[in-house]
Amino acid sequence: SQTIHQWPATLVQPVGSPLSLECTVEGTSNPNLYWYRQAAGRGLQLLFYSVGIGQISSEVPQNLSASRPQDRQFILSSKKLLLSDSGFYLCAWSVEGQRAYGYTFGSGTRLTVV
Amino acid sequence: AQSVTQLDSQVPVFEEAPVELRCNYSSSVSVYLFWYVQYPNQGLQLLLKYLSGSTLVKGINGFEAEFNKSQTSFHLRKPSVHISDTAEYFCAVTPPGSARQLTFGSGTQLTVLP
Repeated sequence: SQTIHQWPATLVQPVGSPLSLECTVEGTSNPNLYWYRQAAGRGLQLLFYSVGIGQISSEVPQNLSASRPQDRQFILSSKKLLLSDSGFYLCAWSVEGQRAYGYTFGSGTRLTVV
Repeated sequence: AQSVTQLDSQVPVFEEAPVELRCNYSSSVSVYLFWYVQYPNQGLQLLLKYLSGSTLVKGINGFEAEFNKSQTSFHLRKPSVHISDTAEYFCAVTPPGSARQLTFGSGTQLTVLP
């Protein structure tokens, strides 16, 4: 079966510290991968998406970056966190050409920058 | 490009009352439509989807939605809500072609009151 793992579930980091959030998918090959952020009381903001290894598209210029070192691994990073980076981060995947299935989401990471 | 509008950001309703969460979309071509639910501090879970055929779609947890092409709407309904239905609900649309670009609405917070 297809599953998506996202960790850690919660994270408290000081301003200026680095960040690394990881997402892995099982049970499918060559998925499209996405990073979303939800700020408090706001909707979903698409940050990055990837259609293949090493291929990253950025939707919003910001303090964050993403990488896809392996087919089913998607990493969200920052060199120096800002207070405004606090939020709920969600990873998701979809299959090219199978839009009827929509997206499958991970369980999210709650990031608090202090 | 397509867009999704969720007309109500917050919907309070008493337990066992009916509820309707409104969603309108804009697209010049045919689309697939989705409703997702997000419980606190969790990822998004697919409630139901419209692909084609019958305009009334039934989903999990007793929810249903009706696709209205002339009004470009996809409203979500439940005849009798429970406390456990308290969550945020997102409407989403995907255009023809790949599953790459799922566009989300801004979300509706449903709060069921005892």
